[in-house]
Amino acid sequence: AQTVTQSQPEMSVQEAETVTLSCTYDTSENNYYLFWYKQPPSRQMILVIRQEAYKQQNATENRFSVNFQKAAKSFSLKISDSQLGDTAMYFCALYGNKLVFGAGTILRVKS
Amino acid sequence: KAGVTQTPRYLIKTRGQQVTLSCSPISGHRSVSWYQQTPGQGLQFLFEYFSETQRNKGNFPGRFSGRQFSNSRSEMNVSTLELGDSALYLCASSLGQFEAFFGQGTRLTVV
Repeated sequence: AQTVTQSQPEMSVQEAETVTLSCTYDTSENNYYLFWYKQPPSRQMILVIRQEAYKQQNATENRFSVNFQKAAKSFSLKISDSQLGDTAMYFCALYGNKLVFGAGTILRVKS
Repeated sequence: KAGVTQTPRYLIKTRGQQVTLSCSPISGHRSVSWYQQTPGQGLQFLFEYFSETQRNKGNFPGRFSGRQFSNSRSEMNVSTLELGDSALYLCASSLGQFEAFFGQGTRLTVV
């Protein structure tokens, strides 16, 4: 079975500051992929960043980076220089044999 | 390159009716998966199709069915609608077994 847990239902951050969203997961698959998706009020799911489990190097996409701790089954997302447009629901997701999502974290960026 | 297109965007149906939702994947993508999003249950995996074959299925009753055509377009059908089927239905396409790209969803309201 695959599970994804996001323990922070809501978070707030001031514009230009850094915020970290937490995610833990469990899977019996040896080869899997991890993702962070963003869902703004428009409801369009947007891929933010992905990490292949076999890669030790943490993925980075501009202001977004992850801290992938495979042994701890932890996959956190760090957003640097937060912008108002980052306000959205963020979902952590795991693909082993299907894509499973966490419950989501609502992030509010304040001016 | 056109994104994932879901039609219709909004639907209102009466209990007991059936509904068909459509999803056109990104050109070249052969995998299409469907998800149900509700405030209470979050994002739940319905099923995944690859080259016209159902590759994986979530834990939904048999009233939920799908199919994929030779051009990779997919349809999802829900029969004997219940109030609890009211949700945002999201379709995603992918080139391989990861990195799903989502459509804007179909908002189904059952009254």
